[in-house]
Amino acid sequence: ETGVTQTPRHLVMGMTNKKSLKCEQHLGHNAMYWYKQSAKKPLELMFVYNFKEQTENNSVPSRFSPECPNSSHLFLHLHTLQPEDSALYLCASSPRGGGRDEQFFGPGTRLTVL
Amino acid sequence: EDQVTQSPEALRLQEGESSSLNCSYTVSGLRGLFWYRQDPGKGPEFLFTLYSAGEEKEKERLKATLTKKESFLHITAPKPEDSATYLCAVQAGGATNKLIFGTGTLLAVQP
Repeated sequence: ETGVTQTPRHLVMGMTNKKSLKCEQHLGHNAMYWYKQSAKKPLELMFVYNFKEQTENNSVPSRFSPECPNSSHLFLHLHTLQPEDSALYLCASSPRGGGRDEQFFGPGTRLTVL
Repeated sequence: EDQVTQSPEALRLQEGESSSLNCSYTVSGLRGLFWYRQDPGKGPEFLFTLYSAGEEKEKERLKATLTKKESFLHITAPKPEDSATYLCAVQAGGATNKLIFGTGTLLAVQP
């Protein structure tokens, strides 16, 4: 595997379900990000982790819970979501947090909440 | 408030018809401006980073330029495979690595 991978690629869940999104980067980077992409809206930054420590939470509702066990893996735990949470969830990584580095994105997880 | 505006929202070109996409921004202390390409159902693919006014970068048929207020992505003699959404993002000053994205320009190149 190369670059940034995300699983699953597609997810359909009910409002009472609990599910998790997984991201893995194979680039040796130290910063990882979760973004939400909705139709007709700019990418919205959700969370930033630098060296496994969360450095940014962009006022995300508590029904989204991130976890970063090491610099290569990032999870987004989902519970009691709303239909408006349906979107493409993108993971990204960069060499350093706080630097001027470009971010490299995974293919995303298309989430549908029924 | 830091903001990025891209225009036009959508652009349809004939193969070989050159044009430019615009990204205007207001940000406190620009650290970098980034261009990405996004194909349907995929994540954004990095194209360029520009750091200071006057800087230019090229890759195949694409050329990105930067002024103190805006950036242009020039597409010379486009081909159908250049069809995609082009995203612009800026990184403001400070310790954060946060990128602020525009809504993108959807480019369609017809053969």
